[in-house]
Amino acid sequence: DAGVTQSPTHLIKTRGQQVTLRCSPKSGHDTVSWYQQALGQGPQFIFQYYEEEERQRGNFPDRFSGHQFPNYSSELNVNALLLGDSALYLCASSLDRYHEQYFGPGTRLTVT
Amino acid sequence: QQQVKQSPQSLIVQKGGIPIINCAYENTAFDYFPWYQQFPGKGPALLIAIRPDVSEKKEGRFTISFNKSAKQFSLHIMDSQPGDSATYFCAASMNTGFQKLVFGTGTRLLVSP
Repeated sequence: DAGVTQSPTHLIKTRGQQVTLRCSPKSGHDTVSWYQQALGQGPQFIFQYYEEEERQRGNFPDRFSGHQFPNYSSELNVNALLLGDSALYLCASSLDRYHEQYFGPGTRLTVT
Repeated sequence: QQQVKQSPQSLIVQKGGIPIINCAYENTAFDYFPWYQQFPGKGPALLIAIRPDVSEKKEGRFTISFNKSAKQFSLHIMDSQPGDSATYFCAASMNTGFQKLVFGTGTRLLVSP
């Protein structure tokens, strides 16, 4: 049983560019959350998707947007990249909105 | 009020020792408290979680102690092993139906052989 998978593993982008990160949830899970983890810090909640809609959002600007597909996979899009967006982006999935979240390995984004 | 404060920042114990990591919160609406273990280059892995209706929960060598009145909870690792060397995060959320986890800043644990 595959766990949460994310792609790509690593990504290097230039300031001002746009990036799309992808996540496939654990089998049977329908809820996907995205977190940003800066180096040496705990993960920070970006937003959560359930039934293809953004249900809750953390303190992140509108440059961060997402999407959930009918197969429950999800994308995180970041526009107008800043140096401060360099971080590990984590996807977590759960059985539903009420159950434990399981994290993927993350995508390491470096903005130069 | 949304913060979870975690201490210590780093911890070194000998094999067989019992490291203890502490967390404190302010928001009394928090009602779910998981602990995650993270190895370098990996995502956090759920270790154990507790809800406020119990004061202690054990799973294998990991124990959570919870003090609702003090708004504190802690992780104890019994008979620690070098393989336990990792970063540990406490977290909290309100079970409103949309689990937005609020994480502590992490504790880097090193278990020496």
